[in-house]
Parts: sequence; structure tokens; C-alpha cells
Amino acid sequence: DAGITQSPRHKVTETGTPVTLRCHQTENHRYMYWYRQDPGHGLRLIHYSYGVKDTDKGEVSDGYSVSRSKTEDFLLTLESATSSQTSVYFCAISDHGAYEQYFGPGTRLTVT
Amino acid sequence: QKEVEQDPGPLSVPEGAIVSLNCTYSNSAFQYFMWYRQYSRKGPELLMYTYSSGNKEDGRFTAQVDKSSKYISLFIRDSQPSDSATYLCAMAMNTGFQKLVFGTGTRLLVSP
Repeated sequence: DAGITQSPRHKVTETGTPVTLRCHQTENHRYMYWYRQDPGHGLRLIHYSYGVKDTDKGEVSDGYSVSRSKTEDFLLTLESATSSQTSVYFCAISDHGAYEQYFGPGTRLTVT
Repeated sequence: QKEVEQDPGPLSVPEGAIVSLNCTYSNSAFQYFMWYRQYSRKGPELLMYTYSSGNKEDGRFTAQVDKSSKYISLFIRDSQPSDSATYLCAMAMNTGFQKLVFGTGTRLLVSP
């Protein structure tokens, strides 16, 4: 998985609790992305980063926030988890543009 | 109408068959076309990408883009059981920050 790790790999949490997912890369790539993958919807972009402290929203950003304080780490926070945020979350990295993205192994999140 | 359409399958073929996987799209501004392979419970793996129209070959895989028809294809020659996976197409424009738009994936099953 191209020097990308995600933690935790699995998490079960209750509605209303905050959750933080971590993406760590060892490739020194400039761009980092968070996606969610749901049946029937495919992969949808939540947030992305184009440098340290530089982030922007994707198409499904409501209820999510991100931070990137170091090149290698990109954090995704669910401020108050809801059942609709039950999904598989993937981090991706790229250095030359969106057309060459490499994905991490994913985090399976269940909100009960 | 979704920007990128992909038949979900499953597509079942015998080992050794030639496989054709396809996507159609509606946004004529797309210039980058990608194919990802995703095994069950794994992250998507970039197989290849093409820019604008034409063909690109990599081993048993050939990607083809027909921009006039807004149609892209991935051909797999001499298919193997290890090719059994979900294949995702993705597209991006060439202006501004390039965000990927994914198809929902086609599940391929190659039987020995």
C-alpha cells in the first residue's frame, strides 16, 4: 500500500462520540485525501490537503474536519459520529496530481 | 444522472478469457482516465492511467479512451483467477485542482 498506513483499521463507536482517524505516509507526497466508500456510491471525497495546514472540502464534508500539521500525517475527525457515517474510510496520497493517487488499506468504522 | 457510470456486474468469465470492462461519462472536460483494482477488504490499487484519448498497454492490461463517445475500456487478456476483484474507473479534469470522480465499480469473477 505504497507507504501508507491508517489507524485504527477497525473501530466501533457510539452515536454522538468524537472519532479521529489517522493517515500516515512515508512517501513525502504533497497531496493527501480522505474518501469514504459506500455500496452504490463508490468512493467519495471528504477532504483533501495540498500542503501542511492547507486543506479544502470535498463533496461530502459535512460532519467531518481534518488537520495536517506535518507532511506525513493527515487526520480525519468526526466531531459527533452518526450512524450515517458508518463506512469504510480510505486515505490516499499523490505527488503529481489527482491522476496518480495511491490508497491506504482503509479503516472500517461502525457507528451504533 | 451520475457523472461516471459503470455496470456493477458481477461479470463472470472462465480463466483465459479476454475481459472487457467499461465506463461511460458525461463531463467532456475529463482529461485523465484511471483504472483501479480493489480486492475484497483492501484499498484500491492504481493499475494505469491515460491522458486524453488513445490506448495504453501494460502487460495483460490495455486501457482505451474514446472521448468522442465519452467511453473508456479496460481489457484484460488471458484472465486469471487472481484477477477476480472489483475494477473502478476514475476521471479527472486538467484544470484547477484535479479531483477524482469514481465509478461505482464492476465486480469481476474469473473461474479456474
